[in-house]
Amino acid sequence: QKEVEQDPGPLSVPEGAIVSLNCTYSNSAFQYFMWYRQYSRKGPELLMYTYSSGNKEDGRFTAQVDKSSKYISLFIRDSQPSDSATYLCAILNYGGSQGNLIFGKGTKLSVKP
Amino acid sequence: DTEVTQTPKHLVMGMTNKKSLKCEQHMGHRAMYWYKQKAKKPPELMFVYSYEKLSINESVPSRFSPECPNSSLLNLHLHALQPEDSALYLCASSQPGQFNYGYTFGSGTRLTVV
Repeated sequence: QKEVEQDPGPLSVPEGAIVSLNCTYSNSAFQYFMWYRQYSRKGPELLMYTYSSGNKEDGRFTAQVDKSSKYISLFIRDSQPSDSATYLCAILNYGGSQGNLIFGKGTKLSVKP
Repeated sequence: DTEVTQTPKHLVMGMTNKKSLKCEQHMGHRAMYWYKQKAKKPPELMFVYSYEKLSINESVPSRFSPECPNSSLLNLHLHALQPEDSALYLCASSQPGQFNYGYTFGSGTRLTVV
């Protein structure tokens, strides 16, 4: 079983839709969860960060972690064509002060005007 | 300055060439990373430098040789690469122990080996 599983899509939605992106992970010791957005031919950029369980909201974006089911989610409200990108969930696997980001496969999202 | 700058943006090299990829950051981060990303795949960790010392080498072939000359610079020296090494090479940085800021990635160098 891979450490992080993510449905690669692609996912196509109309403008204004609510988008739900999800990942599952295998190691219950993981505590730091992130979502990165990657536009074509660019490096990933940090979108949301969550520590342990709970929700975090930033504008139209909400990140959710359910440690009991090892499930992480990203919700995008009122989606815009500019949200079209690949969304990568990432989990920080760390020892001491040093960590390594483990990425999911990424879900390619297309928001149609 | 909240950027990681990578040069060159594109590189085409032959299998017998020697080339170097460069990465620079001025955020004061003391951890720097090289990732490799193939098309439609997630980034995969290659190397980690922490306080200018190599701390993680993910069993990368010796034709890839990293170097961290100082806390702001990270190089990746390439020699005798294979066509399957063609990929987007991403540099990232972070502050050790400050996990909530994640990693800051550069835009990458798109490498083609012919």
